[in-house]
Amino acid sequence: QITLKESGPPLVKPTQTLTLTCTFSGFSVTTSEASVGWIRQSPGKALEWIGIIYGDDDKVYNPSLESRLTITKDTSKNQVVLTMTNMAPADTGTYYCAHGLDYWGQGTLVTVSS
Amino acid sequence: DVVMTQTPVSLSVTPGQPASISCKSSQSLLHSDGKTYLYWYLQKPGQPPQLLIYEVSTRLAGVPDRFSGSGSGTDFTLKISRVEAEDLGVYYCMQSVQLPLTFGGGTKVEIK
Repeated sequence: QITLKESGPPLVKPTQTLTLTCTFSGFSVTTSEASVGWIRQSPGKALEWIGIIYGDDDKVYNPSLESRLTITKDTSKNQVVLTMTNMAPADTGTYYCAHGLDYWGQGTLVTVSS
Repeated sequence: DVVMTQTPVSLSVTPGQPASISCKSSQSLLHSDGKTYLYWYLQKPGQPPQLLIYEVSTRLAGVPDRFSGSGSGTDFTLKISRVEAEDLGVYYCMQSVQLPLTFGGGTKVEIK
């Protein structure tokens, strides 16, 4: 059974760095075909793809966010970490991690406010 | 980026009646491998999106056959033959023919 769960701070201040962890089970991110991606959803708004990391450690980021993003993985812990710098109120939303296109975590709400 | 445009924005449907959602992409979603990478998701209140249909028309295991997807190139449609109360939520189309993945703006389906 494949599961994913996001964790991280519910509140960050503007200009701070956000670090979110996706802890998963039921698969491993060790082959080039395996992947974990991040997607976010602003309150009441549509979905925005953030980026993805593959088992061979290749990463692809959304160009609109790329300068602020880092995605890494720790295969021994079955975790993928998303780091986003210089957070702003417009980054407020629910952040999801996903395996492939059909397994998503429940999401974690992040509010950016002073 | 591939822009995905969904219509209508919202839909109010009587149970047992059909519903149809349109999704148009700014570029063809036909890949050189012959597959068309268009997906449909349903996001129920308080839940993450759940995949219903992939590659235009293939239902995920367990998805009722009242859901059907069709289309090609840049024009796609999701149809619900007979809407049930459990079908309420926001439907999104998504493309993966090109990174970044992009989603439509969503269609909110309400049950009358």
